[in-house]
Amino acid sequence: AQSVSQHNHHVILSEAASLELGCNYSYGGTVNLFWYVQYPGQHLQLLLKYFSGDPLVKGIKGFEAEFIKSKFSFNLRKPSVQWSDTAEYFCAGSGSARQLTFGSGTQLTVLP
Amino acid sequence: DTAVSQTPKYLVTQMGNDKSIKCEQNLGHDTMYWYKQDSKKFLKIMFSYNNKELIINETVPNRFSPKSPDKAHLNLHINSLELGDSAVYFCASSTSRSGGGAYNEQFFGPGTRLTVL
Repeated sequence: AQSVSQHNHHVILSEAASLELGCNYSYGGTVNLFWYVQYPGQHLQLLLKYFSGDPLVKGIKGFEAEFIKSKFSFNLRKPSVQWSDTAEYFCAGSGSARQLTFGSGTQLTVLP
Repeated sequence: DTAVSQTPKYLVTQMGNDKSIKCEQNLGHDTMYWYKQDSKKFLKIMFSYNNKELIINETVPNRFSPKSPDKAHLNLHINSLELGDSAVYFCASSTSRSGGGAYNEQFFGPGTRLTVL
């Protein structure tokens, strides 16, 4: 069965700290992977996506993610977080069925 | 300018009532979706329509009935509302065309917060 898992439920960091949020997927065949962000009270916005090619994907707002096939992972990173990065982060995957499966989300709190 | 819009943004109603949430996209996409986000922020797909035809129907009570009058609209009608239906409902859309950077990327609406009293 297709699944996406995020093991960090809540991450608390100070400003300027580096961020890495874990995401693991379980898919057979081709997989497309995404990271979405949901700021408090707002809708989901796409941060970055991986379809094929370079496994290191750069997104908006200084975020990047690396697709490591051997580890079934697609971790999200940012070298220096800001208070405005406080949000819920969702990893998602889709296969040939084009159905998005979301992870359970990670709440990131950045302390000023 | 709004790519995916939903109305209403907030909906408060009594148990047993029937309500509808509307969704419209102006992106020219041919696939639309409804997701439910529960109180723990967990997002789960409910329905997906491609070119006005139902292609995904997850395990959702039949009190929920999606209706797609055209490719740009996917409305969600809920009968006999229950307390457990309280959640945020998100509409999304995407293109089913292969190739290109937009393949499979879903664009989300602002959400409708439904509260059942």
